[in-house]
Amino acid sequence: AQSVTQPDIHITVSEGASLELRCNYSYGATPYLFWYVQSPGQGLQLLLKYFSGDTLVQGIKGFEAEFKRSQSSFNLRKPSVHWSDAAEYFCATSGNTGKLIFGQGTTLQVKP
Amino acid sequence: GAGVSQTPSNKVTEKGKYVELRCDPISGHTALYWYRQSLGQGPEFLIYFQGTGAADDSGLPNDRFFAVRPEGSVSTLKIQRTERGDSAVYLCASSLSLAGGGDTQYFGPGTRLTVL
Repeated sequence: AQSVTQPDIHITVSEGASLELRCNYSYGATPYLFWYVQSPGQGLQLLLKYFSGDTLVQGIKGFEAEFKRSQSSFNLRKPSVHWSDAAEYFCATSGNTGKLIFGQGTTLQVKP
Repeated sequence: GAGVSQTPSNKVTEKGKYVELRCDPISGHTALYWYRQSLGQGPEFLIYFQGTGAADDSGLPNDRFFAVRPEGSVSTLKIQRTERGDSAVYLCASSLSLAGGGDTQYFGPGTRLTVL
C-alpha cells in the first residue's frame, strides 16, 4: 500500500538559513509526489509536484524538491527561509487513482 | 476566479445529531474529493466523485458517513448520529479530471466540525 512518511514533526530554522524537509514514500511504481503548505486559517496550497522526467522540480515561493528513487525520497528545499514561510508542510503521493495520501506533516518555525 | 468554497466554516453540534457540510468546487472541475484532517495529522481521504458518481468511497469510516453530488457540481457530506470522534476539519478539493492520478487538487478552506 502507498504511504508517506515525514520523519520530522517540527523544525526550527533561522530566517535566511537554508531549509530541507524530508519525505519518504512507499509505492511500487513511479509515484506522483506533491508538496503542499498549510498556513493557519488557510487552505492547502500546492507548492510543487513531480510526475516524471527531471528529478529536480521547481515550485512556487522559491521552493524546490528532488525525487530520488534509490532513497524513495522527495525532500523539499529552500535556500533562504523567510519569516512568512512558517507553516505546516505536507508531502503527499497518489497512484493512478487520484486520491492523495498525505504524510503527518512538518511544522516549520522561523526564528528572527 | 473563485476557488473551492465550503460552508459552513465552523459547525458545532451535539452528539447524536445530523450534520451536512457543503462544498462548491471550482467551475468546470469534474473531480471532487473529501478529506478529513484531525488535529496534528495530515488529511485523510474519504471519498471522491467523477461527475455525479462516487468513484471511490473506500475512505468513509462507516455507514454514518455519506456524500452526494447530484448535478456534478456542488457536493454535500452528510454525517448521521455524530460522535465526538467525528470532530475534525473536513476538507474538500476539486480538480479538472481524474485521468492519470496526477491532476492538481485545489483545496477549500475546510469546515471545522466540533461534536460536543
